[in-house]
Parts: sequence; C-alpha cells; structure tokens
Amino acid sequence: QQQVKQSPQSLIVQKGGISIINCAYENTAFDYFPWYQQFPGKGPALLIAIRPDVSEKKEGRFTISFNKSAKQFSLHIMDSQPGDSATYFCAARETSGSRLTFGEGTQLTVNP
Amino acid sequence: NAGVTQTPKFQVLKTGQSMTLQCAQDMNHEYMSWYRQDPGMGLRLIHYSVGAGITDQGEVPNGYNVSRSTTEDFPLRLLSAAPSQTSVYFCASSYSRRSNTEAFFGQGTRLTVV
Repeated sequence: QQQVKQSPQSLIVQKGGISIINCAYENTAFDYFPWYQQFPGKGPALLIAIRPDVSEKKEGRFTISFNKSAKQFSLHIMDSQPGDSATYFCAARETSGSRLTFGEGTQLTVNP
Repeated sequence: NAGVTQTPKFQVLKTGQSMTLQCAQDMNHEYMSWYRQDPGMGLRLIHYSVGAGITDQGEVPNGYNVSRSTTEDFPLRLLSAAPSQTSVYFCASSYSRRSNTEAFFGQGTRLTVV
C-alpha cells in the first residue's frame, strides 16, 4: 500500500502561474518531508524539505506548506517557469531514518 | 566529485539471465539504498544498507540480492530476470540514517527484460 499519496499525477501550468502539488500520509512516525525534483534521464535531486514542527518553509519560489493535524503537505511553485518542467516527488522519512518513502510523482509542464 | 555512480546506464536482458547493477559513492556515506521507478508508482525501496556488512530488505525485495562489502560499493544482483523487473533503477546514498539527511541519487539504470 502507498504510505504517501500524491496528487495530481500530471499538471500543466502557464508561465508565471502557481503550481501546487499535494501529498498526504498516514504514518505518524514520519518526521521529515522532502521534495525531490527529477529531470528526464536524471536521478531525483533534493529540492526543499520540512520538519513537522513548522507549518511553512520557503526557499526562493518554492514553498512547502505543512498541516500536521491533517497529515498533509504541499509544494507551491510561484511564478512557474518552463525550466521548472520536471517530475516532482514528495517523500517522507521515519524518525529512525532507515527508509525514505516516496509519493507516486507529479509530472509538471510549464508552458511558455 | 563524482557523487553516486551507477553502471550500466542501459541494459537489455533475456528472461532468466542474471546480472549485477553497480553503484559506487565517493562521499563516505554510510547509508545506501536501491529503488526502482515505475510509471505512476513513484520510487519503491528494494534493499538498503546502513553500513558495510549490514543490509536489509525494503518494500519490494523479491528477485534481488545485495551485499555491502565496502562503504563505497552497493551492487544489486538480479538472480533470474523477469519481465516484471523491467524498470529504471536508482541507487542513493546519504551521510547517515538520520531522518533529515539528504539522499543523493545516481543517474539511474534503465533495464529492459525481454
């Protein structure tokens, strides 16, 4: 069973728009929530991450919003650019750190 | 600084053949793992290792073996390839098993089993 559920599966946004990708989890032992960005033919690379003791983290145009009570977190990409076109994965890791569990992935296309 | 290096990048196998996917990291990371990526299923953990001589199963370990004789290398062996193992395989490493350490991924190996 998928412990981290991600939506939407694909997303098309116009340049300058806001891209929003959502994730939900069940395991309350998760205490670290990274987002990975993957370009075609490449491995995933860490984009931004958050711990559950904060509700929001912003790095440039990328923001994670975290709702601990709802067990949901989301990635917001402001002023989306064609260069942001990639597959985005949310993930979660348990306190023990032995496993990184990924969502299904979202293929983002930003049209010029 | 090479990071995480996977070889080969592409491979075609016949059903029943065996092969080893290589993974090496030069960052002295103690934690290494193997994932497979399939459309609509994200990345699923196959096996992982928290240090030399220590390995454990992940979410989808059947049909795969691993070993960790050195800190740097973590090969993944397919014992008898099946079409269901057609996938893109990623090796990853991180400094420790602490939850907030970044995982670094290799470029991937695209495997097709016919």
